[in-house]
Amino acid sequence: DSGVTQTPKHLITATGQRVTLRCSPRSGDLSVYWYQQSLDQGLQFLIQYYNGEERAKGNILERFSAQQFPDLHSELNLSSLELGDSALYFCASSVTGEGGYTFGSGTRLTVV
Amino acid sequence: GQNIDQPTEMTATEGAIVQINCTYQTSGFNGLFWYQQHAGEAPTFLSYNVLDGLEEKGRFSSFLSRSKGYSYLLLKELQMKDSASYLCAVSNQAGTALIFGKGTTLSVSS
Repeated sequence: DSGVTQTPKHLITATGQRVTLRCSPRSGDLSVYWYQQSLDQGLQFLIQYYNGEERAKGNILERFSAQQFPDLHSELNLSSLELGDSALYFCASSVTGEGGYTFGSGTRLTVV
Repeated sequence: GQNIDQPTEMTATEGAIVQINCTYQTSGFNGLFWYQQHAGEAPTFLSYNVLDGLEEKGRFSSFLSRSKGYSYLLLKELQMKDSASYLCAVSNQAGTALIFGKGTTLSVSS
């Protein structure tokens, strides 16, 4: 157990739907990162939060949004889902917002 | 822009030594990381280089040349459990997210 908790582990949903992925960072870590991993693209950075505030955005679609709550857990919201959104979504956390992340076990999203 | 290149696949035999190369081009540099990822699992941290030279950690070593934009991960005394994807990642600015390469899938055979 890495200390980073992601739920759910698996999610199957239909096109056009909306889902919410949840991440609880390791105790003491202030920074949360979301990554998408598909077979052909590798780990793609989506968004970073630090202590409740958005710090950086990567290749995140407008249909996707995220937030970090006062208790430091984070949620990634994916809407108007398309088949191409099927992927593994990883959350990672770190203390300072610098490298050396700890990753959660991921949420496998399948859009049918 | 940022670009990180690694070979897609490599094969090796048990007990051998393998070197996985990574070249990068980034607008800034704040460290290079190597992660290991078994299929369907989370990436796990292996090593971190911010200064030129070799960092050794047991069977794994990582080398960095900042002037050449080049790093390698050296795995010695290969074991079957080392079959995994190895991800090179760069931090281009303090406090910002890591940018990952597509990874190198290593297959170790007996």
